[in-house]
Amino acid sequence: QQKVQQSPESLTVSEGAMASLNCTFSDGTSNNFRWYRQHSAKGLEVLVSIFSDGEKEEGRFTAHLNRANLHVSLHIREPQPSDSAVYLCAVSMVTNAYKVIFGKGTHLHVLP
Amino acid sequence: EAAVTQSPRNKVAVTGGKVTLSCNQTNNHNNMYWYRQDTGHGLRLIHYSYGAGSTEKGDIPDGYKASRPSQENFSLILELATPSQTSVYFCASGDPSSYEQYFGPGTRLTVL
Repeated sequence: QQKVQQSPESLTVSEGAMASLNCTFSDGTSNNFRWYRQHSAKGLEVLVSIFSDGEKEEGRFTAHLNRANLHVSLHIREPQPSDSAVYLCAVSMVTNAYKVIFGKGTHLHVLP
Repeated sequence: EAAVTQSPRNKVAVTGGKVTLSCNQTNNHNNMYWYRQDTGHGLRLIHYSYGAGSTEKGDIPDGYKASRPSQENFSLILELATPSQTSVYFCASGDPSSYEQYFGPGTRLTVL
């Protein structure tokens, strides 16, 4: 069974400083990785999807994937207080495109 | 305009009662999903569907049924609600070719 783990559980940064979030997964055949943002138990907003090793940028959000190290990260450039939320990592496997495994999330707090 | 909507947004039920959570999507996606989100567990898949008339068990299907009468609608049914089913429930629709899932705003269910 695929395991997806996120770290840290909680992260506090100052407005304008880079925020870096980590996600590790256990199955190297995983082929799609997404980062979602969730404000206060509301719906999930997709931030960036990445399929291949390297980086993918969507505005202030950049995902880095290293499949050999079973690691995907999210970097938020110039975070703002409105970015304070829970960030969820989601991993899909080529063997079952219907099945997505989510990490438990990182609580990000951005101080003004 | 919201593409995935859920009703009700909040529900209080009594133990042993029947609860139906409804989801509607206008994305014309074949796939639809029901998740629950609990502190310490993240998002867990209950049931999913790959088209009208189909339902499949996810990771935690016990105590839940699902119904997909049309492309647009997907319901989650708790025949005999229990306090352990108190949670926030999210519906999502998705396109299997892109792995993307689009989430509704969630339903907060409390079973007393």
